[in-house]
Amino acid sequence: AQSVTQLGSHVSVSEGALVLLRCNYSSSVPPYLFWYVQYPNQGLQLLLKYTSAATLVKGINGFEAEFKKSETSFHLTKPSAHMSDAAEYFCAVMRADKLIFGTGTRLQVFP
Amino acid sequence: KAGVTQTPRYLIKTRGQQVTLSCSPISGHRSVSWYQQTPGQGLQFLFEYFSETQRNKGNFPGRFSGRQFSNSRSEMNVSTLELGDSALYLCASSPQGRNQETQYFGPGTRLLVL
Repeated sequence: AQSVTQLGSHVSVSEGALVLLRCNYSSSVPPYLFWYVQYPNQGLQLLLKYTSAATLVKGINGFEAEFKKSETSFHLTKPSAHMSDAAEYFCAVMRADKLIFGTGTRLQVFP
Repeated sequence: KAGVTQTPRYLIKTRGQQVTLSCSPISGHRSVSWYQQTPGQGLQFLFEYFSETQRNKGNFPGRFSGRQFSNSRSEMNVSTLELGDSALYLCASSPQGRNQETQYFGPGTRLLVL
């Protein structure tokens, strides 16, 4: 069965530092993978998605993710964190036309 | 295009009551999915509707039900509310509800059961 695992429920970085949020998937076939962000008291906003067209996927707000089949990973990165990036981030895989979410990673950004 | 809208945004109910939540998808989207978000269980899939038919269902008791209208708007109903039903209920829409499509989420309805 397809699922995703997010390592680290909390990540703290300084403003301007690299952001790295980890996601590993388990799938026997090439998956459709997504990263969503949730700001307090809001719904989920799509950051980016992988649909096998390219292994390096660029998303909104300067985020990108690289699909690595050999490592079954789809980690989310941003070169320089901004205070406004503080939020909860969810990795998800589509399975049987429904999203299966990871447990989320809360990103804190310190000035 | 307007995004996914959900009403109401906040709701307080007592145990044993029932509740109906509403979701209007993005114009042209025919698939509507519902998810429950709680601190303990995270984000879990409830069900998906396409062309007024429930096409997919998660592992929730029969107290959770839904429907979709001909204009693709969807409602979900929870009967005999329990304390554990307190959650953020999110709906998402996509054109056809297929794997490669993006699901666009609404702001959610926060339900508190007392």
